[in-house]
Amino acid sequence: GAVVSQHPSRVICKSGTSVKIECRSLDFQATTMFWYRQFPKQSLMLMATSNEGSKATYEQGVEKDKFLINHASLTLSTLTVTSAHPEDSSFYICSARDTGTYGDEQFFGPGTRLTVL
Amino acid sequence: DAKTTQPPSMDCAEGRAANLPCNHSTISGNEYVYWYRQIHSQGPQYIIHGLKNNETNEMASLIITEDRKSSTLILPHATLRDTAVYYCIVSPAASSGYALNFGKGTSLLVTP
Repeated sequence: GAVVSQHPSRVICKSGTSVKIECRSLDFQATTMFWYRQFPKQSLMLMATSNEGSKATYEQGVEKDKFLINHASLTLSTLTVTSAHPEDSSFYICSARDTGTYGDEQFFGPGTRLTVL
Repeated sequence: DAKTTQPPSMDCAEGRAANLPCNHSTISGNEYVYWYRQIHSQGPQYIIHGLKNNETNEMASLIITEDRKSSTLILPHATLRDTAVYYCIVSPAASSGYALNFGKGTSLLVTP
């Protein structure tokens, strides 16, 4: 199946700094990518939908000015957590839906573990 | 999206079949049934999906009832590596652009 990568896999930062997470579809083009957040022992929560070449659509309760999403190409979306605080510590997962090469599936990245000190 | 109901946890002996049920009584005609699993601290892994016919692949089988209000994921010979949280999700097709919305899933423990 298709491969979605994330970088970095793990990041530790100080409170108040910004962190950028990259999500790449390696062998297919994704006009739409999704960002999820998962707190310990909870399910994945959709944060936003990222559309190539346009503004992201955020879920209710997700601050668009804090979680900046850029989807500048068909294979790359980035999530920047601005002025991170300890409560932003979480597991961030991206996904992309492939509507061509690999059929009708949504593929997930391996996740990025963010720890804010 | 239609909501799903799954048991919070299940146990299965290694080598036996694991049958994971899912209720989705409000599923719409254009919604598929997707199954994903998540091993601890990893991203979700696609298992199988179907619309109304039963499906089988190298990982599992998906049995969907005729009224489409419930389904069962079958892992024919569970191994210890199948221990994970299994999510049943109903959603329109990928081409619609909808995100998959995850419920709480079923935590499957495969024991020796």
